[in-house]
Amino acid sequence: DVKVTQSSRYLVKRTGEKVFLECVQDMDHENMFWYRQDPGLGLRLIYFSYDVKMKEKGDIPEGYSVSREKKERFSLILESASTNQTSMYLCASSLGGALETQYFGPGTRLLVL
Amino acid sequence: AQSVAQPEDQVNVAEGNPLTVKCTYSVSGNPYLFWYVQYPNRGLQFLLKYITGDNLVKGSYGFEAEFNKSQTSFHLKKPSALVSDSALYFCAVRGGLSGNTPLVFGKGTRLSVIA
Repeated sequence: DVKVTQSSRYLVKRTGEKVFLECVQDMDHENMFWYRQDPGLGLRLIYFSYDVKMKEKGDIPEGYSVSREKKERFSLILESASTNQTSMYLCASSLGGALETQYFGPGTRLLVL
Repeated sequence: AQSVAQPEDQVNVAEGNPLTVKCTYSVSGNPYLFWYVQYPNRGLQFLLKYITGDNLVKGSYGFEAEFNKSQTSFHLKKPSALVSDSALYFCAVRGGLSGNTPLVFGKGTRLSVIA
């Protein structure tokens, strides 16, 4: 079974803090993704990566950055957290190719005060 | 551009009755279609996907989905709903001409199965 893990299930941070969300997959997947989920808005893509040290902007990259130094790990960084970044963050991974399924981690619920 | 529409925010069904969660899509080229389910405070779980072949796809937990090319639809179905099926359901698509790109998700439909 594919396993995607996220470093925290719940996180509380203060405005202006730098926040790191970590995601690890154990299936040697080439692709990794970060989404945020908000009620009524569904899933919105923040960043994705097709390979180590590669990254592509998604639909809402502002206020975020990412790092992929190793194939199995994809980090999402909130440079200076703001209250409008309070959300559920979901990481996913997949093999390369149009036919492939994306597998999701359990999510991190972030509250920025 | 690729897009997915889930026209119903909420679907209510009585336990034991058949259920349908609707999804329509727009892509370039052949569509690759997916359904996911999300239980409270959890990530998304993969249910089933359509790549090619038989228009009726069977997946996990007794769910199935019917691909209809002329109506550009991929509705999720189950013959007999269970209370435990209550969850948030997402449809997603990737176009065959778009290559190795992220899935595009609908906004989700909340299914409530009433005992």
